[in-house]
Amino acid sequence: DGGITQSPKYLFRKEGQNVTLSCEQNLNHDAMYWYRQDPGQGLRLIYYSQIVNDFQKGDIAEGYSVSREKKESFPLTVTSAQKNPTAFYLCASSAGIGGTDTQYFGPGTRLTVL
Amino acid sequence: AQSVAQPEDQVNVAEGNPLTVKCTYSVSGNPYLFWYVQYPNRGLQFLLKYITGDNLVKGSYGFEAEFNKSQTSFHLKKPSALVSDSALYFCAVRDTGNTPLVFGKGTRLSVIA
Repeated sequence: DGGITQSPKYLFRKEGQNVTLSCEQNLNHDAMYWYRQDPGQGLRLIYYSQIVNDFQKGDIAEGYSVSREKKESFPLTVTSAQKNPTAFYLCASSAGIGGTDTQYFGPGTRLTVL
Repeated sequence: AQSVAQPEDQVNVAEGNPLTVKCTYSVSGNPYLFWYVQYPNRGLQFLLKYITGDNLVKGSYGFEAEFNKSQTSFHLKKPSALVSDSALYFCAVRDTGNTPLVFGKGTRLSVIA
C-alpha cells in the first residue's frame, strides 16, 4: 500500500448523515483519485485531482464531494444525496495523471450505511 | 473512449500448473497497460505495466504479461501457480492522453492445492 493512508478502515453511517473519508499520501505525488468498489463491478472513478485546488468529476460523482487544499491530502465526503453509499472506497495517487505513471493505492475504507 | 474487458469472472487452477488471466482493451491511440492484484479487504497492489518495447513484461511475484497488439490483449501469466496467488486481479488501461486509468471488472483467481 506504499505511502498512502486511509482512515478509518471501517465506517458506519446512519442514513441522512454526511461522512468524510480521509486520504493522505507522503509520496509527493501530484495526482490523487477516489474509486468506489462494489462486488462484480470493478473500480469506478468518483473524482480525481491533477494538482492542488483543482479536481474533476469521474464517472460516478453524484452524491460525493472532494477538496484538494494540500498536495498530500484528498478527502472524500459522502453526502446524504448518495443513494447507495455502502461500498469499499479506495484512494490512489500517482506522480502525474497520464502516460506511464503508475497509480498506487491505499488500504481502503469500508463504509456501511445502517 | 478507453475500455478494458476481463472475460472471465473466475479462474480455477491447480497448484503448480501454469495460470493465465485474460484481458483485452480498446483505446484510440497507443495503450499503456497495467495489472494489479487485490487481497481480501486490502487495496490494490501494482504487479506490472506495459509501456513500449518488449511484448513480454516481467513483474512482481513471478508474474509476467504478454502484450499482443493485433489481438488487443494483455494476458497475465505465471508458469507455476501458488495457493498464495489466490486473489482478485485487475487489468487497467489508459491511452497516451492525460487521463486516469480505466479498470476492468476483475477476475478472481483460485489456486487449489
